[in-house]
Amino acid sequence: DQQVKQNSPSLSVQEGRISILNCDYTNSMFDYFLWYKKYPAEGPTFLISISSIKDKNEDGRFTVFLNKSAKHLSLHIVPSQPGDSAVYFCAASGGGETSGSRLTFGEGTQLTVNP
Amino acid sequence: EPEVTQTPSHQVTQMGQEVILRCVPISNHLYFYWYRQILGQKVEFLVSFYNNEISEKSEIFDDQFSVERPDGSNFTLKIRSTKLEDSAMYFCASRRGRYPYNEQFFGPGTRLTVL
Repeated sequence: DQQVKQNSPSLSVQEGRISILNCDYTNSMFDYFLWYKKYPAEGPTFLISISSIKDKNEDGRFTVFLNKSAKHLSLHIVPSQPGDSAVYFCAASGGGETSGSRLTFGEGTQLTVNP
Repeated sequence: EPEVTQTPSHQVTQMGQEVILRCVPISNHLYFYWYRQILGQKVEFLVSFYNNEISEKSEIFDDQFSVERPDGSNFTLKIRSTKLEDSAMYFCASRRGRYPYNEQFFGPGTRLTVL
């Protein structure tokens, strides 16, 4: 199942700089996208989401950009902090109220923010 | 802040035994999910549950799996006869409602080890 793909297994950035995590999808029925952060031995923690009717959503240090024509989304973290070090998952759903709400996850990207 | 809880945190069982994983979703949420993550693999959707019935299930969710909401607070996943390949982290998630409340909130997970 390669419908959601995160091509970078890891990313390392310096504290205070921008982190950019990328995600590509193939299923054109996806209309809602989410980013989750996960620490070892914990469940995914919701970060930010975006509907396909938008191209940008911002929440504090986190901004998600959606490029529907390219079937690509990205998560920007500015400024990056050491506490942001975690695995970040991109997920997508096909919308709808009941059917189609399942999340399809990417492989995850391990972000390391160095002090 | 309300959160999804799961018990037990770790379950060890013998192949062929039945296990029940328990979850308490966020109290005003209406949609409930189970996902699993086999070590080194993606988080995978198992089943969604709404209005006291399964609304969607994946090909993984075969006859050995069942879900139940026995009362107003608990949501359980039963695996009737466990196999070695059922060893994974199992995550419960809940969602408040329809758009724009599409975010799914995850519990900390139950690590199932089948020997």
